[in-house]
Amino acid sequence: NAGVMQNPRHLVRRRGQEARLRCSPMKGHSHVYWYRQLPEEGLKFMVYLQKENIIDESGMPKERFSAEFPKEGPSILRIQQVVRGDSAAYFCASSEGLAGGQQYFGPGTRLTVT
Amino acid sequence: QQQVKQSPQSLIVQKGGISIINCAYENTAFDYFPWYQQFPGKGPALLIAIRPDVSEKKEGRFTISFNKSAKQFSLHIMDSQPGDSATYFCACSFLGTSGTYKYIFGTGTRLKVLA
Repeated sequence: NAGVMQNPRHLVRRRGQEARLRCSPMKGHSHVYWYRQLPEEGLKFMVYLQKENIIDESGMPKERFSAEFPKEGPSILRIQQVVRGDSAAYFCASSEGLAGGQQYFGPGTRLTVT
Repeated sequence: QQQVKQSPQSLIVQKGGISIINCAYENTAFDYFPWYQQFPGKGPALLIAIRPDVSEKKEGRFTISFNKSAKQFSLHIMDSQPGDSATYFCACSFLGTSGTYKYIFGTGTRLKVLA
């Protein structure tokens, strides 16, 4: 049973470009969470999605960031017009969605904005 | 009230020693307390977790001690090994308004175990 998969593992973008980060949850998991980790900091919740639904986006910046989890395919975190401050590690986690269900993390995508 | 304070920021321990990392929280609604281990370049991996109905949980060399009245919990790594060198995050979880459990993470402790 493959774990949570994220790609790309490393992404370099110039200021003003778009970044697309992909996450495939563990088999059987229908709940996806995105977190951002800045250097020397803990993980900050961004958004929680179920298939075709955004359930909680209270941690998402109001502009330039969006997320989706379509019926088919991976979840996508999209950052438009990236700025240097967006440089961070972005982690995806998935769970079965049961109350208190354990979240399993992917290896992360390290975004560098030059 | 959603903050989780973790200390120390970094820790150096001799091989065979005990590593202790502490976390404190404020929100009494938290009811699940996991610890994650993260190696450089990797995602966090669940190490051990506890619910507030018990005061201690042990799995191998790893023990969580939980003090509900003080709203504190700690991770103890017995017989620390160089392979334990990693960053450790505590987390507190609660049932959010979205109907799912939300995780609030501490800022991490970078542990180095000297050979």
